[in-house]
Amino acid sequence: EVQLLQSGGGLVQPAGSLRLSCAASGFTFSSYPMNWVRQAPGKGLEWVSTISGSGGRTYCADSVKGRFTISRDNSRNTLYVQMNSLRAEDTAVYYCVKTGAMATMSQFDYWGQGTLVTVSS
Amino acid sequence: DIQMTQSPSSLSASVGDRVTITCQASQDISNYLSWHQQKPGKAPKLLIYDASNLETGVPSRFSGSGSGTDFTFTISSLQPEDIATYYCQQYDNLPFTFGPGTKVDIK
Repeated sequence: EVQLLQSGGGLVQPAGSLRLSCAASGFTFSSYPMNWVRQAPGKGLEWVSTISGSGGRTYCADSVKGRFTISRDNSRNTLYVQMNSLRAEDTAVYYCVKTGAMATMSQFDYWGQGTLVTVSS
Repeated sequence: DIQMTQSPSSLSASVGDRVTITCQASQDISNYLSWHQQKPGKAPKLLIYDASNLETGVPSRFSGSGSGTDFTFTISSLQPEDIATYYCQQYDNLPFTFGPGTKVDIK
């Protein structure tokens, strides 16, 4: 059974930093691209970032470029996102999401439980 | 960026009704489209991928069709547990983009 267990999150001041983690199990982690998707309170879904299975290729939304860094540790089956220079508009529930095939351009098939990040003074 | 639109933004239907949601992409995305269901306070769940493929374990009352720019999602017989917001998503091009969602509830 695929499981994505997220940790991190919480309240952070504007311009602050935070790291989210996602521990994966139930599949061969290193074979699949992984993603972060966020959802601002009461709003829709927004793709944030994607990393290839090897970790050698990363992609991110313009809204977070230069501030967020996605990474993975395949020895620990864990996905990360380092979020720096946080802004109020980054306040959202962040989801760790598995890609359904080994290609980056594939459907999102499993979602973590989500973790709330609140940026406020 | 590829813009995704959905209609309607919300709907109310009776148990047993057929429900249809449409999704339109701003450019040709072939069949690289999925549908996700999000129940209140929960994470989204994949229902349909590649426009018409039912994800394993998803009830057969859910279906999808379309290609290119125009797509349809159907619930053949609405059940109380289908109360949720439904999102289409394209994965043909980065950035991946989602539709604004369609909120479905029971009349």
